[in-house]
Amino acid sequence: ETGVTQTPRHLVMGMTNKKSLKCEQHLGHNAMYWYKQSAKKPLELMFVYNFKEQTENNSVPSRFSPECPNSSHLFLHLHTLQPEDSALYLCASSQELMYSGAAGETQYFGPGTRLLVL
Amino acid sequence: QKEVEQNSGPLSVPEGAIASLNCTYSDRGSQSFFWYRQYSGKSPELIMFIYSNGDKEDGRFTAQLNKASQYVSLLIRDSQPSDSATYLCAVKALSDYKLSFGAGTTVTVRA
Repeated sequence: ETGVTQTPRHLVMGMTNKKSLKCEQHLGHNAMYWYKQSAKKPLELMFVYNFKEQTENNSVPSRFSPECPNSSHLFLHLHTLQPEDSALYLCASSQELMYSGAAGETQYFGPGTRLLVL
Repeated sequence: QKEVEQNSGPLSVPEGAIASLNCTYSDRGSQSFFWYRQYSGKSPELIMFIYSNGDKEDGRFTAQLNKASQYVSLLIRDSQPSDSATYLCAVKALSDYKLSFGAGTTVTVRA
């Protein structure tokens, strides 16, 4: 498999459930990102990891908990979510985090997980 | 707050015509500019990036950057129905690793 993969592709969960989203990149990149995309709104950056270390937590509620065990894998653990958390959750990766050339900082996205919180 | 503004559309163009999409940004320190295409229900895919003033062509797509006026545009020549999608503009400052995205412009190409 190539590129950035995400599982599951669709998820329906109740507000008391605990679930996890998984992202895997096969590009040899060192930086990985979680984004939230709600209808008609710009992509919202949630978390950034560089060489497995978290470098950004964009004021995300604690009901979202990221985990990055290595440079190829990224998880987003979900618990006690709210209906307004329903959205498309996108994982992305890039070669480097602060690269001087646009090619190295280009982000490649996975297919996303469509989440519905009931 | 770094803002990236796009006309939400929808922009409707006939097949074979040129679609012109505009994007303005507020941060004068922005150095890298990206255009992504997103089909309905799918994830964004990179079309092209540009970081020098002027034009950059890739197939039917041309990106135009004007840093003095703080805008970047995307032209789609010979538009095809398969170009119907939402186009996202993203901007990054040299000193920052974060991309700031616009909300996107929806393009519909009429056959």
